[in-house]
Amino acid sequence: TQLLEQSPQFLSIQEGENLTVYCNSSSVFSSLQWYRQEPGEGPVLLVTVVTGGEVKKLKRLTFQFGDARKDSSLHITAAQPGDTGLYLCAGAKDSNYQLIWGAGTKLIIKP
Amino acid sequence: KAGVTQTPRYLIKTRGQQVTLSCSPISGHRSVSWYQQTPGQGLQFLFEYFSETQRNKGNFPGRFSGRQFSNSRSEMNVSTLELGDSALYLCASSLLPGTSYEQYFGPGTRLTVT
Repeated sequence: TQLLEQSPQFLSIQEGENLTVYCNSSSVFSSLQWYRQEPGEGPVLLVTVVTGGEVKKLKRLTFQFGDARKDSSLHITAAQPGDTGLYLCAGAKDSNYQLIWGAGTKLIIKP
Repeated sequence: KAGVTQTPRYLIKTRGQQVTLSCSPISGHRSVSWYQQTPGQGLQFLFEYFSETQRNKGNFPGRFSGRQFSNSRSEMNVSTLELGDSALYLCASSLLPGTSYEQYFGPGTRLTVT
């Protein structure tokens, strides 16, 4: 049973389009992290959100943590081929325990 | 500062064999975690080591084991390999254990079991 559901599983769009990927759960998390993983590499942390309703921006990427701290979204504006990769979300229930990972959204941006 | 290194990068083994994977954390990082990544399953937590002690363990059979040395380097071992063990094995290091500290991942070891 996947505690963190990511959708869509796969997304292929043209350069310049906007997109949103989702990370949903029925559980409450104390914080949630988003990672990007490129082929042949390990995941790289993009952002950590900790407060319900929090919005963080990283250039063209906007991350939002749900008010109830059960879900999160990642919005990319004017996607570029360099955004291609596997986007993973991971939730923390407690600082003493391990992260709970979603299965990821594989994103392909076509030039 | 050098990143997390994992060796070997690729490995092909046959069923029943055993394998040892190695991870060198970022200098100064004392916590090392191991994950198994398979398509569609995301990252599955194997175990975490801190100060040469296993701090947390995921839901994997006893064929999966690990250890950490005094210099924080870590190894994981899988005995009696099964086809289902084919996966990317990722190592991540952090300054200290727990989710409050950012994890830095290595490039992984791609294990194929035939």
